[in-house]
Amino acid sequence: AQSVTQLDSHVSVSEGTPVLLRCNYSSSYSPSLFWYVQHPNKGLQLLLKYTSAATLVKGINGFEAEFKKSETSFHLTKPSAHMSDAAEYFCVAFSGNTGKLIFGQGTTLQVKP
Amino acid sequence: GAGVSQSPRYKVAKRGQDVALRCDPISGHVSLFWYQQALGQGPEFLTYFQNEAQLDKSGLPSDRFFAERPEGSVSTLKIQRTQQEDSAVYLCASRQGVNSPLHFGNGTRLTVT
Repeated sequence: AQSVTQLDSHVSVSEGTPVLLRCNYSSSYSPSLFWYVQHPNKGLQLLLKYTSAATLVKGINGFEAEFKKSETSFHLTKPSAHMSDAAEYFCVAFSGNTGKLIFGQGTTLQVKP
Repeated sequence: GAGVSQSPRYKVAKRGQDVALRCDPISGHVSLFWYQQALGQGPEFLTYFQNEAQLDKSGLPSDRFFAERPEGSVSTLKIQRTQQEDSAVYLCASRQGVNSPLHFGNGTRLTVT
């Protein structure tokens, strides 16, 4: 069965420093993977998606993620954190039969001034 | 409409009451999903519709939960005899096709007292 593990429940960085949010997936086949962001009291917003076209995926707001099959990882990065990046981030896998999304537990990103 | 709309935004119910949560998907979106997000957790899949057909309801936690989408557009999630453990944010999402991204509504926060 498809599963997603986010390795950190909470990440704290200073404004202007790099961001790394880690995600590992478990799948018997090449998955479709996504990162979503959830700001307080707001809906989930798609940051980026991987669908096997390219291993390095660029998303909105300067985020990108690299799919590494050998490590079964799909870590999210950003070179320089901004205060507005503080939110909950979810790594998500696409389950092929019905296309339902399987969410990780989430990582809270805190950005300090 | 411009996005997925959910109502009410907040709902407080006494234990034992029935509630109905509404979702208006983006016009023309074939697929509709319901998710349950408990505090501090990632969203958990409840059920999935393709047009008016409910193709997957494996995530519904009990027979007190019922969802419908009679005309293939608006959907209602009904919870009968609410319990405290039903307290969560209920998210609705829709998409145009299998390979399209999911668009989420802002959710309905249900509190059962």
